[in-house]
Amino acid sequence: QKEVEQNSGPLSVPEGAIASLNCTYSDRGSQSFFWYRQYSGKSPELIMFIYSNGDKEDGRFTAQLNKASQYVSLLIRDSQPSDSATYLCAVYRGGATNKLIFGTGTLLAVQP
Amino acid sequence: EAQVTQNPRYLITVTGKKLTVTCSQNMNHEYMSWYRQDPGLGLRQIYYSMNVEVTDKGDVPEGYKVSRKEKRNFPLILESPSPNQTSLYFCASSPEAGGPITGELFFGEGSRLTVL
Repeated sequence: QKEVEQNSGPLSVPEGAIASLNCTYSDRGSQSFFWYRQYSGKSPELIMFIYSNGDKEDGRFTAQLNKASQYVSLLIRDSQPSDSATYLCAVYRGGATNKLIFGTGTLLAVQP
Repeated sequence: EAQVTQNPRYLITVTGKKLTVTCSQNMNHEYMSWYRQDPGLGLRQIYYSMNVEVTDKGDVPEGYKVSRKEKRNFPLILESPSPNQTSLYFCASSPEAGGPITGELFFGEGSRLTVL
């Protein structure tokens, strides 16, 4: 079982719709959760982070965390073609290793 | 401008020919890391460094070496490259000395390496 799992997609949504991206993780002790966006041929960039159970909103983006279910999601409202990218879920592993564990990413395609 | 700079951006080489991918950051970050990105496998950490002269293995260190003689530089060395090291490589740095607990990683633009 991978530490961080995502559906590779592609997830196709029409412009203006809500895109829902999901991620599960295996380490129940994980405390910090992140979403990165990666455009084709570019490097990843951090767009959201969440530490506590519940929802966190930032503009059109909402991150949701459910630690009991070991589940993190990212909602993108009013999706735009410019949101088309691969979205990487990442979990911080602390302790002796201090690093981010990345999922394989979900490709989102927003259709005009 | 705050940035992480990698060179070369693209490289085609042959099996066994030693190569070095340089990484330099101008943000005075203590934490630096190398990742490789492969289809279906995502971003995997190769090595990381929490400070000068302090380096440690990530999840896929075999076939790679690193050094951290200065805070700004963290080169990745492939002593004897093999075709399974064909990949997209990213260097990253973090302002948190103990590791990217806030997830804030500044990535370089990537180096696409092909080993024939």
